[in-house]
Parts: sequence; C-alpha cells; structure tokens
Amino acid sequence: GQQLNQSPQSMFIQEGEDVSMNCTSSSIFNTWLWYKQEPGEGPVLLIALYKAGELTSNGRLTAQFGITRKDSFLNISASIPSDVGIYFCAGRRVQGAQKLVFGQGTRLTINP
Amino acid sequence: DTAVSQTPKYLVTQMGNDKSIKCEQNLGHDTMYWYKQDSKKFLKIMFSYNNKELIINETVPNRFSPKSPDKAHLNLHINSLELGDSAVYFCASSQDHRHHNEQFFGPGTRLTVL
Repeated sequence: GQQLNQSPQSMFIQEGEDVSMNCTSSSIFNTWLWYKQEPGEGPVLLIALYKAGELTSNGRLTAQFGITRKDSFLNISASIPSDVGIYFCAGRRVQGAQKLVFGQGTRLTINP
Repeated sequence: DTAVSQTPKYLVTQMGNDKSIKCEQNLGHDTMYWYKQDSKKFLKIMFSYNNKELIINETVPNRFSPKSPDKAHLNLHINSLELGDSAVYFCASSQDHRHHNEQFFGPGTRLTVL
C-alpha cells in the first residue's frame, strides 16, 4: 500500500504567493526527492535530499529533509504561472526493496 | 537530445490484444524502471532492471513481461489487455539502483483499452 502522505492534495493560489507542501511517513526514509509533472509529460526531478536536516534550494524552490527522517517539505517562493503542475515527493526507505515510493501528489493551480 | 524516450506516446487498443511499449535511455545509466500512473495520478513502480537483470518485480499480473535486450533499453509487453490496464506508463532510469536514486522519467505512454 501507499506509504507516503503528501499534503495538501491541491492548492489554488494567486500569482506571487509562496507555496508550501509536505510529505510524511510512518517509516524512516534515507532519500527524499521532489518531482514536478506537467500535463502530458513525465515527472521532472527538482530537488534531491540525502541527509537528515539537509536544506537545499533550486532557484525559488527550497526543500528540506526532516530531522526525524520521516518527513520532507517543499517551498516555492513568489509563484509564477509556469509553476502550475503536480508536485510529487518520493522517498527510498532504509529497510525494504531498493525502490522509490511516491506521494499522492499536490496539484498546484495559480490564478494570474 | 532526449534522455529517456518512449514509444508510442499514445496507444489505443481493444481488450484481449497484446501490445508492447518501448523505452530507451541515452544517459549511460545502469538501471531502468517501469511505472504505472493511474487516473488519480498515483505513481507505482512495476519493474526495475539493473544491467539487464530484473531486480524489482512488484505484484504485477504475469500478463506484463518486461524485456531488457541491453542496459539502454527496457521494453514492456502486455498480453491479453484488460480495461483496468488503461493508464499512463512511465519508463525511468537512474545511474544505479543502490546509491543514486535520481530517477529520470520518460514522457509517458498513455494506454487506453476499449
């Protein structure tokens, strides 16, 4: 079954606003990844996190690997229309198979 | 140059048919994956191959058979297609399956079974 809880499921914001979304799990993860998917395309990697407490930025995007290793968040500052899409968190568990588990996604809609 | 490519982009077929989706990556990666994305956009891994060897095989009906002729290619063959197979199928690749989880995805193949 699904092992990552991503919230919120959807967001409707005004252009220029900041966005925050997060992912939590009951299991420890040793890798957190954040992807963005646009309509008709595959997910594109935004940020990769490999150490607890790690804070990484990619332009207006910032993501953090939670200290407990059970959560991660993604922030987008000063949103613009091209930020529209579905954002997925993904993680690799310490225990278990060598695979990525994905969250349900956060659908971001921006009103100009 | 496209890093991970899939063909076809769209596939519409009748129930009971057999079809294949092809995937190729030019990144020099050792590991390739197949994912299924349902109508609610949930992404679930199906298979993974590392250097032509199967390393992940989730609970997938045996009508689905992956084939990796070399490490740059991972094809997905589906027998006796069913309505529930309708989804978007994504191929992905990563440098290897142990230490580098930065998976790069193809553009997807939208499969519609009528």
